[in-house]
Amino acid sequence: EPEVTQTPSHQVTQMGQEVILRCVPISNHLYFYWYRQILGQKVEFLVSFYNNEISEKSEIFDDQFSVERPDGSNFTLKIRSTKLEDSAMYFCASSVNSYEQYFGPGTRLTVT
Amino acid sequence: GQSLEQPSEVTAVEGAIVQMNCTYQTSGFYGLSWYQQHDGGAPTFLSYNALDGLEETGRFSSFLSRSDSYGYLLLQELQMKDSASYFCALFTGGGNKLTFGTGTQLKVEL
Repeated sequence: EPEVTQTPSHQVTQMGQEVILRCVPISNHLYFYWYRQILGQKVEFLVSFYNNEISEKSEIFDDQFSVERPDGSNFTLKIRSTKLEDSAMYFCASSVNSYEQYFGPGTRLTVT
Repeated sequence: GQSLEQPSEVTAVEGAIVQMNCTYQTSGFYGLSWYQQHDGGAPTFLSYNALDGLEETGRFSSFLSRSDSYGYLLLQELQMKDSASYFCALFTGGGNKLTFGTGTQLKVEL
């Protein structure tokens, strides 16, 4: 069964450093998303991406964040200058119909 | 904006039926989804209600009442592997995004 993959599974970085989280969505999916989950809390929407552009972004998704679909298979989330409060599990999701979203296993980001 | 509230924890016995409730506030939405998340895992899609009423998928059923701003997930024939967190989520337009609730942790006991 096709699945969303994410790399790395765990990323440790120092405050102020740039990180790039990578995702390979399911191949025939058209809608792409990034969500995050701080430990013990609910999943929060960051950004949605469709037809090679951002559809919507949350208040969390400020100028430090950017997304890119550099080729036909990858979908990346970049954080330019990480802060301690960016420490969370970051989930990529994709969908063919937008309401049934398939989540990847996540990247645990630890900012020290 | 949207907000969704769920009971924090529910405990039930293996083989039993459990209902997990979700109340929400929103100015508009397309439908209500349910996701399961095991500890350390990714959310997994369970069900989606675009219309009022009951949707059944195997042991899982989900209900939506737009007039009451309320939904629930029903799990039948509980198994130990059903122990997980269950999140309701509003699916809204614009970005076709999910806004998740606070989640209910289900513990299934022998």
